[in-house]
Amino acid sequence: EVQLVESGGGLVQPGASLKLSCVASGFTFSDYWMSWVRQTPGKTMEWIGDIKYDGSYTNYAPSLKNRFTISRDNAKSTLYLQMSNVRSEDTATYYCTRAPGYWGQGVMVTVSS
Amino acid sequence: DIQMTQSPASLSASLGETISIECRASEDIYSNLAWYQQKSGKSPQLLIYAANRLQDGVPSRFSGSGSGTQYSLKISGMQPEDEGDYFCLQGSKFPWTFGGGTKLELK
Repeated sequence: EVQLVESGGGLVQPGASLKLSCVASGFTFSDYWMSWVRQTPGKTMEWIGDIKYDGSYTNYAPSLKNRFTISRDNAKSTLYLQMSNVRSEDTATYYCTRAPGYWGQGVMVTVSS
Repeated sequence: DIQMTQSPASLSASLGETISIECRASEDIYSNLAWYQQKSGKSPQLLIYAANRLQDGVPSRFSGSGSGTQYSLKISGMQPEDEGDYFCLQGSKFPWTFGGGTKLELK
């Protein structure tokens, strides 16, 4: 059974950095592109970006490219999202996904002073 | 970016009623469209991929259609468990983009 389990969320101050993790199981992690998606409290969905199965290539939403970095450790079956200089508008639930059908349970990030 | 315009934003349907939700893309997305259902507090669940392919385990009352820039999700016979939020996702061109969502309620 495919499982994606995110962690690392919480309350963070504006301007700070935060790194989310997603541990994958139930499939050969190194065979798949992986993505991050976020959902705002108002339920708007936004695709953040994705990373090639070997970590050699990434795509990002242009509006987030300068502050967010996606990486992976295939030996640990783990996907990461490094968020820097966070803003209040980054407040959202962040999902790790193996597109199109597998999503984690999500992790909440709240940016507030 | 490709804009996905989803309608209606909300919908109330009676038990057994057939409903449709539409997504219109700002350019041709060549059937690279998925539909998701999200229930309160849960992760999105894939219903339809490649515009009209039913995901394994999804009831056959769900169907997808469309091409080019116009796509729709149909529920043939509303059931209580179909309440939730629905949204489309285009995977044709980066950045992938979502529709604004449709809230479906049982009347």
